[in-house]
Amino acid sequence: EAQVTQNPRYLITVTGKKLTVTCSQNMNHEYMSWYRQDPGLGLRQIYYSMNVEVTDKGDVPEGYKVSRKEKRNFPLILESPSPNQTSLYFCASSLGSNYNEQFFGPGTRLTVL
Amino acid sequence: QQQVKQSPQSLIVQKGGISIINCAYENTAFDYFPWYQQFPGKGPALLIAIRPDVSEKKEGRFTISFNKSAKQFSLHIMDSQPGDSATYFCAASMGGSYIPTFGRGTSLIVHP
Repeated sequence: EAQVTQNPRYLITVTGKKLTVTCSQNMNHEYMSWYRQDPGLGLRQIYYSMNVEVTDKGDVPEGYKVSRKEKRNFPLILESPSPNQTSLYFCASSLGSNYNEQFFGPGTRLTVL
Repeated sequence: QQQVKQSPQSLIVQKGGISIINCAYENTAFDYFPWYQQFPGKGPALLIAIRPDVSEKKEGRFTISFNKSAKQFSLHIMDSQPGDSATYFCAASMGGSYIPTFGRGTSLIVHP
C-alpha cells in the first residue's frame, strides 16, 4: 500500500531533550516536506527536500533540523525542544514540484513540557 | 501577512444543503489551487484542484469556482452529507516553487 508513515504518533517530552520524528514514504517520491498544524493557523511548512541531500527552509524553520540521506526517509529533528513547538506535525511527499498531489502522513502529536 | 485568506473558520450545514468555503489570494503568480480535506486524526488528503485557465472544475458533489480577476476561489459541496464533516484547507502555489501556501482551514460540520 502506497503510504507515508510517521513515528512516533504521539510524544510527550520535556524542554531541551533532543528528539527525532521519523518519516518514510514507499512511493519513490522525490519531494518531501514537514508541516506543523496549529489551531487557527492552518498548515505551515517547516522544511522541504527536493531530492537526496537537497533541503531548504520553509516558512517556520527555526528550532528544527532535517536530513535527507535516503530518498524514502526525511526525519525531523528538534535539537532542544521548547514548549512553543508543541504542535501536530505532518510529513508529506509528492512526485515533483507544484502541480503534483501531496500525500500526507497520519501526523505526530508532540507535547513539550 | 497571510497570502491566502480562508473563510469562514467554521461552518455548520444541514444534510442536503450546500457548503461554501471561500479563499482569496494576494500573489498573482499563483497558478495552482488545490483543496485538501482532513478528517479528525488523519492527515490532509487532496480533494480537488484547479489551474487558472478554467473558471470551474467539478468532481462529483465538489466544485471549485475560480475568479482570476477577483483573485478568489471557492469550494462548493452540493448535497452535503454528514460524512463530509471535516476540516478543509485551500492552498496556492506557483510554477516551479515547492512552497505551497495554505489557508487557515475551515471546520465543516454537517448535521444529519
